[in-house]
Amino acid sequence: DVKVTQSSRYLVKRTGEKVFLECVQDMDHENMFWYRQDPGLGLRLIYFSYDVKMKEKGDIPEGYSVSREKKERFSLILESASTNQTSMYLCASKTGGANQPQHFGDGTRLSIL
Amino acid sequence: DAKTTQPNSMESNEEEPVHLPCNHSTISGTDYIHWYRQLPSQGPEYVIHGLTSNVNNRMASLAIAEDRKSSTLILHRATLRDAAVYYCIGFSGGGADGLTFGKGTHLIIQP
Repeated sequence: DVKVTQSSRYLVKRTGEKVFLECVQDMDHENMFWYRQDPGLGLRLIYFSYDVKMKEKGDIPEGYSVSREKKERFSLILESASTNQTSMYLCASKTGGANQPQHFGDGTRLSIL
Repeated sequence: DAKTTQPNSMESNEEEPVHLPCNHSTISGTDYIHWYRQLPSQGPEYVIHGLTSNVNNRMASLAIAEDRKSSTLILHRATLRDAAVYYCIGFSGGGADGLTFGKGTHLIIQP
């Protein structure tokens, strides 16, 4: 089975801090995604990557950046955390083909105080 | 992605079959129907997907109407672990397209 591992289940940070969320997948998938999930707003795409060092903005990239130096690892960076970035963050990966399923990690519940 | 309509919630008894409906009347010919579920405090989990034919895997079956305007996810024998929010998506994305979930169906399993 595909395993997508997010480094932390729960994280508490302070406003203005630089925050790193890490995601690792073990299936050699080309594509990786970062989403945030908020009550009433559903799942929203922040960034995705289709290859090492390649990245594309999703629907809500403001305030975030990403890094993909190795195929298996995709990092989400909050440059200067703000309270409106308190959310559940989900990482996913999939193979390069169309209509293939995405495999999600268990999420990181991030609180910015 | 196609707009989908699902009931807000459904209730079933443990060890009985569950049929979760989804309407997707605006689905295009190239949209696959994907189902995901999300258990409390976990990330979404892929369940099944298909285009025209009915599909089976170890988790569930997917029955797709002949006109493709609706589909049904079938859990053959529900357990308490199947209690989750189930999302149906009409999706024809390329390799790197993100997913958009609607509100889904909250499935409650009674022991």
